[in-house]
Amino acid sequence: DTAVSQTPKYLVTQMGNDKSIKCEQNLGHDTMYWYKQDSKKFLKIMFSYNNKELIINETVPNRFSPKSPDKAHLNLHINSLELGDSAVYFCASSPFGQGEEKLFFGSGTQLSVL
Amino acid sequence: KQEVTQIPAALSVPEGENLVLNCSFTDSAIYNLQWFRQDPGKGLTSLLLIQSSQREQTSGRLNASLDKSSGRSTLYIAASQPGDSATYLCAVQGGSEKLVFGKGTKLTVNP
Repeated sequence: DTAVSQTPKYLVTQMGNDKSIKCEQNLGHDTMYWYKQDSKKFLKIMFSYNNKELIINETVPNRFSPKSPDKAHLNLHINSLELGDSAVYFCASSPFGQGEEKLFFGSGTQLSVL
Repeated sequence: KQEVTQIPAALSVPEGENLVLNCSFTDSAIYNLQWFRQDPGKGLTSLLLIQSSQREQTSGRLNASLDKSSGRSTLYIAASQPGDSATYLCAVQGGSEKLVFGKGTKLTVNP
């Protein structure tokens, strides 16, 4: 019973392509997130959604577009992939998105842009 | 702007040793601080969450402390085991609900 699952686990693609990463949580949480872990191992938030509504949108190129069809899913679509997009992308969720909560993370999607 | 620093970047210890991982942050206006464990291919697992009003949290062999005024937290691991080998990440959450992560400490426990 995977709590936060994201697919695919690995994604290798050419520059200029469009790709999507899917995320689903079965915890009944209201808030979901996308984080990016770059080559220096820093994890940075990209987006957060609460009940399908965008709450946090960091300085991320508009080639990245999150989509939340329902509160259990938050997908990340990336247009015109660039070399610098290569990273590990983590999906996460929390019950309400408040300061008192633990976050639950997916296992990550390693994106390699060639 | 919040910055989180973890020292050391890597640590190698023999099995059975007690150890301390350090985390410091620049802005003391935080809601909470969390310690995570990152295993290759398995994502992040939340280990302990300390609210800003708390000073420590314990779970099994793990004990995390928080000194908000000085901007420091420590993760104490007692009687380390090879299965504890992983990267340990510290993250603070502020008013914007964003988690700001350190770069982690890579721990290796040798049998």
